[in-house]
Amino acid sequence: EIVLTQSPGTLSLSPGERATLSCRASQSVSSNYLGWYQQKPGLPPRLLIYGASSRATGIPDRFSGSGSGTDFTLTISRLEPEDFAVYFCQQFDSSPPLLTFGPGTKVEIK
Amino acid sequence: QVHLQESGPGLVKPSETLSLSCAVSGYSISGGYYWGWIRQPPGKGLEWIGGINHSGSTYYNPSLKSRVSISGDTSTSHFSLNLMSVTAADTAVYYCARIMPAGGGYYFDYWGQGTLVTVSS
Repeated sequence: EIVLTQSPGTLSLSPGERATLSCRASQSVSSNYLGWYQQKPGLPPRLLIYGASSRATGIPDRFSGSGSGTDFTLTISRLEPEDFAVYFCQQFDSSPPLLTFGPGTKVEIK
Repeated sequence: QVHLQESGPGLVKPSETLSLSCAVSGYSISGGYYWGWIRQPPGKGLEWIGGINHSGSTYYNPSLKSRVSISGDTSTSHFSLNLMSVTAADTAVYYCARIMPAGGGYYFDYWGQGTLVTVSS
């Protein structure tokens, strides 16, 4: 089973700054089957990125994903007030079918 | 617009079965996507429980497989979760979601609002 770790656990930044979030897998993620989600308190997660680098419908272009193999990055180019939230990465493994999430990175206002 | 809504008891006794239903509107559950359940213990991370596809095939997280069953009813556009022999560790917010296939991978693109289920006597 592939285990995902995320770093840092908490990122303290100011609006307008650039945020760089890391997701590392214990084994290579098949064909970059890696997604990113944003979750705000009391709400369900929202899909931001799928396939490591494709933005989901309606996601602003300040969100971008990159990486391959075992190392993936979510970048928020300029933080807006509504971007302060928890971010989770998620991967899909086909044998056997299994979807797993990382523990999350909290982006908080500095 | 796809909309999902969970329903079911908010309190379940230890050793009993947790049963939840998810009502889907705006898209037919027989229309080609997968549909799944995810849970999140208070203040913690996300765990995929399992899913069902448009033809009724099911897939479960191996860590829960012995206690879980998921079923679907295309006539009412609902799918359901049963989790047997629950303990306090099963206390969580339970989400239903649509699972989007993309380029060989699978991702959760529409989510219900979630329902908190507490396991306690």
